[in-house]
Amino acid sequence: GAVVSQHPSRVICKSGTSVKIECRSLDFQATTMFWYRQFPKQSLMLMATSNEGSKATYEQGVEKDKFLINHASLTLSTLTVTSAHPEDSSFYICSARDPSPGVGSGNTIYFGEGSWLTVV
Amino acid sequence: QQQVKQSPQSLIVQKGGISIINCAYENTAFDYFPWYQQFPGKGPALLIAIRPDVSEKKEGRFTISFNKSAKQFSLHIMDSQPGDSATYFCAARTGANNLFFGTGTRLTVIP
Repeated sequence: GAVVSQHPSRVICKSGTSVKIECRSLDFQATTMFWYRQFPKQSLMLMATSNEGSKATYEQGVEKDKFLINHASLTLSTLTVTSAHPEDSSFYICSARDPSPGVGSGNTIYFGEGSWLTVV
Repeated sequence: QQQVKQSPQSLIVQKGGISIINCAYENTAFDYFPWYQQFPGKGPALLIAIRPDVSEKKEGRFTISFNKSAKQFSLHIMDSQPGDSATYFCAARTGANNLFFGTGTRLTVIP
């Protein structure tokens, strides 16, 4: 089946530095990818929707200058957490839409394995 | 505003029993209802999904029951196993738009 790969799975960075997380669709071309943040024992919170070749659409309350999203190709989207602070420590998850026909009028969405970010 | 309401928050089931998780929604434009399974420290994995013109879909031990008039859908896990212990999320979507997730149900299957 379709696979979405995230890298790195775990990263520790110092406060004030930037860290980049990659999301790749391995066997399909994803025109749309989504980035989520998840706190322990909570549901997924959508941060932004990333469309290939255009600017990402950020959800209300998400700082676009802090969480930089780039979707330069149909198989890769990146999330860069700039000037990271301890409160940015979280589990970040991406998902990608498989454009092949799926259930409903839309397409199937597959999730990456997630990336644990710890800012010290 | 929570677009998709999920219950219970946590569930404990004996091995071999049936696990039932319920979700409700308000937006009648939703046309895709997936369930995701998430193990600790991992991303959600698509389990099973249904569209509103079908009342039930079964895949192995997992069944979605869908009640369009009541705007409710549920996940049934038959013959629950300890390996099913995970957090389950229901979700809903219109067309090719973003998924709206429920708050999650932490399932524990005890041997």
